[in-house]
Amino acid sequence: AQKITQTQPGMFVQEKEAVTLDCTYDTSDPSYGLFWYKQPSSGEMIFLIYQGSYDQQNATEGRYSLNFQKARKSANLVISASQLGDSAMYFCAMRELMTYTGGFKTIFGAGTRLFVKA
Amino acid sequence: NAGVTQTPKFRVLKTGQSMTLLCAQDMNHEYMYWYRQDPGMGLRLIHYSVGEGTTAKGEVPDGYNVSRLKKQNFLLGLESAAPSQTSVYFCASSKSGGNTGELFFGEGSRLTVL
Repeated sequence: AQKITQTQPGMFVQEKEAVTLDCTYDTSDPSYGLFWYKQPSSGEMIFLIYQGSYDQQNATEGRYSLNFQKARKSANLVISASQLGDSAMYFCAMRELMTYTGGFKTIFGAGTRLFVKA
Repeated sequence: NAGVTQTPKFRVLKTGQSMTLLCAQDMNHEYMYWYRQDPGMGLRLIHYSVGEGTTAKGEVPDGYNVSRLKKQNFLLGLESAAPSQTSVYFCASSKSGGNTGELFFGEGSRLTVL
């Protein structure tokens, strides 16, 4: 069964520094998508970044980049120049094709809570 | 621009009562999902739908039923609520086709079962 693992329940980072949030995944499907979502204390889920399994380049979106190491099955999120507003819960997710339904489903890791210190 | 709307936002039930959570999306998305979020466990997929009239089980389907009679609506039902179903429920939708396409989430529904 597919699985997403985030081994860091909580992380601290100093404002303006970079931080890496770890994510490993397990799938036997060669075609899949990897996502990171942010959940601030207000509770909404915010999409940050996407990486396709066949993408050659690591995805970047502003201060967010995804360090994709396919052989190691890892998809770490790097946040550069951390800001106080980055304090939130971060979820790694994987989207896979479900052959028996013909559709896709997305599963999530347990999340990492990031605290940015002033 | 509504996006994904969940009702109700909050609900308190007694054990054994039934209720339905409604999710509505106005983006013409094919896929819709129901997740529950519990502390330390992330979001776990309850049921999902790849199109009108179709549903499938996710990771934690027991105790829940769903229906997708209209493309824009995805209903989550609890026939006999249990305290273990106390959680925050999120509905999400996404476009069909390919592995791209992020999930668009509702604001969540907080359910407490006493």
